[in-house]
Amino acid sequence: GAGVSQTPSNKVTEKGKYVELRCDPISGHTALYWYRQSLGQGPEFLIYFQGTGAADDSGLPNDRFFAVRPEGSVSTLKIQRTERGDSAVYLCASSPHGGFLNTEAFFGQGTRLTVV
Amino acid sequence: QKEVEQNSGPLSVPEGAIASLNCTYSDRGSQSFFWYRQYSGKSPELIMFIYSNGDKEDGRFTAQLNKASQYVSLLIRDSQPSDSATYLCAVNNGDNAGNMLTFGGGTRLMVKP
Repeated sequence: GAGVSQTPSNKVTEKGKYVELRCDPISGHTALYWYRQSLGQGPEFLIYFQGTGAADDSGLPNDRFFAVRPEGSVSTLKIQRTERGDSAVYLCASSPHGGFLNTEAFFGQGTRLTVV
Repeated sequence: QKEVEQNSGPLSVPEGAIASLNCTYSDRGSQSFFWYRQYSGKSPELIMFIYSNGDKEDGRFTAQLNKASQYVSLLIRDSQPSDSATYLCAVNNGDNAGNMLTFGGGTRLMVKP
């Protein structure tokens, strides 16, 4: 595809359930980022992949959150035992080489997660 | 705690005026600075980046950086109603492998016809 694709666009889940959010980056982009954006706030960094490995997961709020990128392309963000406070828009971004300096990172349209 | 601060607004300007958006950051090691525009319900899109002190112009947009004051701004000349959006300031301090960004909370700009 031409851009970063995220699915689903909307997800409503019950408290305590498990959810998976998918990100399909721009073809050939080695760097992939997950951010979370709550209403009225700026995006908050969660995790960064360079290729298949998570180079920095310091933004993951707790061990209920986990992400993988097994083949260096598609990434899945996994949230266990969801809580109402997890409700937000989850944004994925990719960039060609990793690092934002001199390199535009392209954001997907996001997945709006609502935990009820 | 690395912080990026923006006035949440809304900043209201008449069509054709200059809109001035401001951002301060706490980490003196910050190396590059980005302005993103985000329309309601949409994803952020990059407008400009700057990493040297001074001004950088691109069309109607000018980014200004003052590292000594830890201040970065975005000027929009000849503002149009289509510029109405939330403007996010983001900072990269360059001391991490991924160069991920720290975002401010955004300033909502309203351009009135």
